[in-house]
Amino acid sequence: NAGVTQTPKFRILKIGQSMTLQCTQDMNHNYMYWYRQDPGMGLKLIYYSVGAGITDKGEVPNGYNVSRSTTEDFPLRLELAAPSQTSVYFCASRETGAGGYTFGSGTRLTVV
Amino acid sequence: ELKVEQNPLFLSMQEGKNYTIYCNYSTTSDRLYWYRQDPGKSLESLFVLLSNGAVKQEGRLMASLDTKARLSTLHITAAVHDLSATYFCAVGNAGNNRKLIWGLGTSLAVNP
Repeated sequence: NAGVTQTPKFRILKIGQSMTLQCTQDMNHNYMYWYRQDPGMGLKLIYYSVGAGITDKGEVPNGYNVSRSTTEDFPLRLELAAPSQTSVYFCASRETGAGGYTFGSGTRLTVV
Repeated sequence: ELKVEQNPLFLSMQEGKNYTIYCNYSTTSDRLYWYRQDPGKSLESLFVLLSNGAVKQEGRLMASLDTKARLSTLHITAAVHDLSATYFCAVGNAGNNRKLIWGLGTSLAVNP
């Protein structure tokens, strides 16, 4: 049981480049989330999804896009990368109900 | 708007001592989570607290929730070095999407 798998683990982007952060979960969870964590800070919600085909903005969605075509996958797209997007990105999922969130191992992104 | 405050943000303690981390939140919520994060690692779920007076214990950690005071505590008993990590509380917004608002984290260092 792999849980939540994120790829890549590390990436360096140049300003203006685009990339997709991949997130896959094998627990059949309906809810999936993308967070960013800046140094010394808590997590900020970028986008979330309550099921396949349904996504919504979180606290800091600007500069990002998501899609949820299947229950398993929730990719995060960065268009026109900016230095302000340098951060660690975590994908998480949870089942419906009162359970805790399962986090992926994170993607450390640097935009230069 | 839901806000979550943790204190202290930094805690240095000796092995064998007891201490408490506090998590205050500003509006009504129906669930509170505690997570642990080791440096450069992902987040690990510790506790989910769902009702007033809830108390959960795992090893040297005990978490409690007082919904009337909007306060949760994470008590550390007889600290050991392996407990050194950053501890986050996160509070669920009332509503179906269950978005979490995160505290800034408490960086705990347990010294010999």
